[in-house]
Amino acid sequence: EVQLVESGGGLVKPGGSLRLSCATSGFIFTSYNMNWVRQAPGKGLEWVSSISSSSAYIYYADSVKGRFTISRDNAKNSLYLQMDSLGAEDTAVYFCVKYAGGAVPGSGDVYFDHWGQGTLVTVSS
Amino acid sequence: QTVVTQEPSFSVSPGGTVTLTCGLRSGSVSTNYYPSWYQQTPGQPPRTLVYSTDSRSSGVPDRFSGSILGNKAALTITGAQADDECDYYCVLYMGGGIWVFGGGTKLTVL
Repeated sequence: EVQLVESGGGLVKPGGSLRLSCATSGFIFTSYNMNWVRQAPGKGLEWVSSISSSSAYIYYADSVKGRFTISRDNAKNSLYLQMDSLGAEDTAVYFCVKYAGGAVPGSGDVYFDHWGQGTLVTVSS
Repeated sequence: QTVVTQEPSFSVSPGGTVTLTCGLRSGSVSTNYYPSWYQQTPGQPPRTLVYSTDSRSSGVPDRFSGSILGNKAALTITGAQADDECDYYCVLYMGGGIWVFGGGTKLTVL
């Protein structure tokens, strides 16, 4: 059974930093592109960032480019999101999301097949 | 900036049929965008319903079907049930590693 377990959320002051982690199991982590998707309270889903299986290809939404850094540790089957220069607009539940199609986006079945439960990030003074 | 459009809300009667759509503010949605649909109940992560326009995810009842209608992707729910009342999101793959979600549709069954 695929499991994605996020951690690291919490309350942070504007301008601060936070690092999210996603521990995975139940699939061959080294074979799949992984993503972060967020959802502000009462709002819709927003794709944040994507990283290919080998970390060779990394993509960001314009709203976080230059402030967030996605990374992965294939030895630990873990995904990370380093968030810097946080603002109130970054307050959201952050979901760790597995890509169905394989190593890079656009390959194989093009969709998100497994989601974690999410971790809440609150940016407030 | 790419904007993916969805109806903010929709109502359907129990047992009825409803079609939710997913469009582009500028342009047409085609299979090349690999539209996929997700269902989300309050406090839960999204669940995949349909991918690559019209492929149902494992375990999803055949009451849910996807298609292209005109210049939009569509999710049709037939025989609506009370527990279909929740939020539905589409997402389009724009290429180059970029995904864009629609704003979501809140479906009411009454």
